[in-house]
Amino acid sequence: RKEVEQDPGPFNVPEGATVAFNCTYSNSASQSFFWYRQDCRKEPKLLMSVYSSGNEDGRFTAQLNRASQYISLLIRDSKLSDSATYLCAVNHNDYKLSFGAGTTVTVRA
Amino acid sequence: SQTIHQWPATLVQPVGSPLSLECTVEGTSNPNLYWYRQAAGRGLQLLFYSVGIGQISSEVPQNLSASRPQDRQFILSSKKLLLSDSGFYLCAWRREDTGELFFGEGSRLTVL
Repeated sequence: RKEVEQDPGPFNVPEGATVAFNCTYSNSASQSFFWYRQDCRKEPKLLMSVYSSGNEDGRFTAQLNRASQYISLLIRDSKLSDSATYLCAVNHNDYKLSFGAGTTVTVRA
Repeated sequence: SQTIHQWPATLVQPVGSPLSLECTVEGTSNPNLYWYRQAAGRGLQLLFYSVGIGQISSEVPQNLSASRPQDRQFILSSKKLLLSDSGFYLCAWRREDTGELFFGEGSRLTVL
C-alpha cells in the first residue's frame, strides 16, 4: 500500500462550483499534513498546512480525519485560476515528507 | 526571507553522460535539504535528504548520488545517466518550526 494516495481526477468543474477531494495516508503515526498546488511544469507551492481542528484560508478549507486517516481539501467558488494539480503531503517523522501523486482540477468557464 | 535556487533549469543529456545539479538556499542556516524526482505524470519520489554538511541519507538505491559541501549547497550527481533518470528534479528546504517544505524552480532532465 502506498504511503499517501490521492484520486488522480481529473475533476472538471464550472466556475463558481465547489470541488472537494481527499487524500489517504497509511501511517497512523503521521504528524503533519499539507496541501501543495502544482501548475504544469512548475514546482509545487505550499497551499496550506492542515491542522487537527481544520482550517480555512479564503475559499480553501482543509480537514483532517485521523480516525479514518485522510485529509481533505475543499475549494469554494472555483476560479479559472484554481486549475492545477493539488498534492497532499504527509510527514511521518522529523525529516521525511511523502507526497501523493496529485489530484488534477480543471475549472471551466 | 528565505530563497532557494536550482540550476540548470533544463538539460538534455545522452545516456552514459555525467550529471550535476546544484541547489543553494539563502536566508537560513543549517537547513534540512531534500532532492525529489517527479517522473512524467507521477508523484514526488524522495531521493536524498541532508540534515547538515556532509550528512546524506539515501532513500532509494540508484545510480545517483548527493553531496552537501557547504551548509546551504546541495548537489545531485551521476557518473553515468540512464534513460530512466529522466524527470523533473526538485530541491527543497524544510522550515524547522512547521515542517513545511519549500521547493526550488526545478531542473528538467531528459536523457536520450
